Amino acid sequence: ELKVEQNPLFLSMQEGKNYTIYCNYSTTSDRLYWYRQDPGKSLESLFVLLSNGAVKQEGRLMASLDTKARLSTLHITAAVHDLSATYFCAVDAYSGAGSYQLTFGKGTKLSVIP
Amino acid sequence: GAVVSQHPSRVICKSGTSVKIECRSLDFQATTMFWYRQFPKQSLMLMATSNEGSKATYEQGVEKDKFLINHASLTLSTLTVTSAHPEDSSFYICSARKGGMNTEAFFGQGTRLTVV
Repeated sequence: ELKVEQNPLFLSMQEGKNYTIYCNYSTTSDRLYWYRQDPGKSLESLFVLLSNGAVKQEGRLMASLDTKARLSTLHITAAVHDLSATYFCAVDAYSGAGSYQLTFGKGTKLSVIP
Repeated sequence: GAVVSQHPSRVICKSGTSVKIECRSLDFQATTMFWYRQFPKQSLMLMATSNEGSKATYEQGVEKDKFLINHASLTLSTLTVTSAHPEDSSFYICSARKGGMNTEAFFGQGTRLTVV
């Protein structure tokens, strides 16, 4: 059974600071996604990481993937209040039942305070 | 990207009634769609994989007779919560893959179900 561990689960950070969210997974996969979820809303796709060493950046967020270590990181640079949300990583892996399935981490609730 | 539309966005129903939620891929065909449930402050849990023209594949612990899934066309999957109870109140989200099995999944807007 694929396990996806995300940490921290809660993160309170001051505006302007940097921080990293970690996503570890337990099986071989070279496809990992990061999503943002605002309260009461569905998922917004942030990054699609498709290979070892992949690095993507959008604004103050940067995601990376190390498939050998089975680790992805989401780095936040100079946080602003608008980044307050819950962030999920999800690992795509073959389910053995004829399809691929996404397995989600528990999510990191980020609160950016002035 | 691709657009997945889910309807309704919110529904309130009485205990014992049934509720149908629709998930449509608007600009692509989806042979496979996925249904998730999310309880407050928790992550998404896969309920079932919906396959066009065949029976859905349910995850362990999900009642097939309670959560009826129909995927009658390449652009529409429906989830019917039968004989709803308050414990079925949750946020239900569908997703669809635009291409083959391991292509990116796109998510609907979600449906907030409240059973009173």
